[in-house]
Amino acid sequence: GAVVSQHPSWVICKSGTSVKIECRSLDFQATTMFWYRQFPKQSLMLMATSNEGSKATYEQGVEKDKFLINHASLTLSTLTVTSAHPEDSSFYICSANDRSSGNTIYFGEGSWLTVV
Amino acid sequence: AQSVTQPDIHITVSEGASLELRCNYSYGATPYLFWYVQSPGQGLQLLLKYFSGDTLVQGIKGFEAEFKRSQSSFNLRKPSVHWSDAAEYFCAVGPTNSGNTPLVFGKGTRLSVIA
Repeated sequence: GAVVSQHPSWVICKSGTSVKIECRSLDFQATTMFWYRQFPKQSLMLMATSNEGSKATYEQGVEKDKFLINHASLTLSTLTVTSAHPEDSSFYICSANDRSSGNTIYFGEGSWLTVV
Repeated sequence: AQSVTQPDIHITVSEGASLELRCNYSYGATPYLFWYVQSPGQGLQLLLKYFSGDTLVQGIKGFEAEFKRSQSSFNLRKPSVHWSDAAEYFCAVGPTNSGNTPLVFGKGTRLSVIA
């Protein structure tokens, strides 16, 4: 079945540095991917919609210059957290839409980011 | 605007007992409904989905859900719960079948299973 892969699963970075998280659709093409953030014991909060070949659409309150999204191909979207700070520590999850299976939306395994 | 309500934050059931997790949605047209399960520290796994047709949908791991338009509900059920079912469950609604619109999630229901 369709699989969405995220890498890395866990990352620790120093405050002020940048970190990139990849989201790949492994056996289908995804023109649209979504990035979510999840705080402990809370639901998913949509951060942005990533569109292949165009600029991402950010949700209100999400800083586009801090959370850079690049959807350069039909199977890859990246989220770069720039100048990370401890408050950016969170669980980041991506999802991708598989149109070949009736627009089923699949989620990646998530990436834990800890900023120290 | 569309919204999803999961009234129960936390439910505890005994292993082998039946389970029903509630989900109510608000949306003006025919919704596109999902149930996902999330184990601690992991991503979301799709349990089942409803697009149209038969209002009782079967999913993986023995789960099923019934779409009731009159009640704006999409409750998740399982006849006999296993200890491995302990996890967080999210109901979600999508406004269209285009795939270009993100899902709206409920706040989740945490399921604990006791012996």
